[in-house]
Amino acid sequence: DIQMTQSPLSLSASVGDRVTITCRASQSISSYLNWYQQEPGKAPKLLIYAASGLQSGVPSRFSGSGSGTDFTLTISSLQPEDFATYYCQQSYSTPFTFGPGTKVDV
Amino acid sequence: QVQLVESGGGLVKPGGSLRLSCAAAGFTFSDYSMSWVRQAPGKGLEWISYISSSSTFTNFADSVKGRFTVSRDNAKNSLFLRMTGLRAEDTAVYYCARAQEQANQLDYWGHGTLVTVSS
Repeated sequence: DIQMTQSPLSLSASVGDRVTITCRASQSISSYLNWYQQEPGKAPKLLIYAASGLQSGVPSRFSGSGSGTDFTLTISSLQPEDFATYYCQQSYSTPFTFGPGTKVDV
Repeated sequence: QVQLVESGGGLVKPGGSLRLSCAAAGFTFSDYSMSWVRQAPGKGLEWISYISSSSTFTNFADSVKGRFTVSRDNAKNSLFLRMTGLRAEDTAVYYCARAQEQANQLDYWGHGTLVTVSS
């Protein structure tokens, strides 16, 4: 199975900050990497698919990059509604494993 | 608009069984693969199952393989997860999600249904 790691696991930031979260796969997954945002008590929401594709309706301050084993999610200017937990997920081969999550708080 | 609504969760004893349902609306259900993802209390997301649009292919996480089965009824726009041999560690919120063909990304999720395994 492909293992996914994320760093950091938590970070404190302020409104307006540029935030970068890293995700690493245990083997090459090409560009089959997705990012989700989850607010407490809510279902996850797709932000980025195929490493860099912006899901419809997601603000352009979110961007993704990377291929192979190393990927990055960037929030260019953190907004109050962005304080949440972010998960990467590989969809290259089953099981489609998630990373452990990165909690972004104030 | 796309809607996914899970049901069937509840309290069950260890070793027991439960069948979750996911009712889909707002899109052509038979065109999409579907997945189940769960989240234990206070923990991260765990992908557990996939079923292709025509039920040809299914796949499971090792943690549930042999205990859980997935099925769908495209005529009724419904997805199912049959869970047997339930354990305390299966306690979680279970989400159904629609998968896009491009990168198997999960673009729509239900609100989840809570399964609690306890004596």
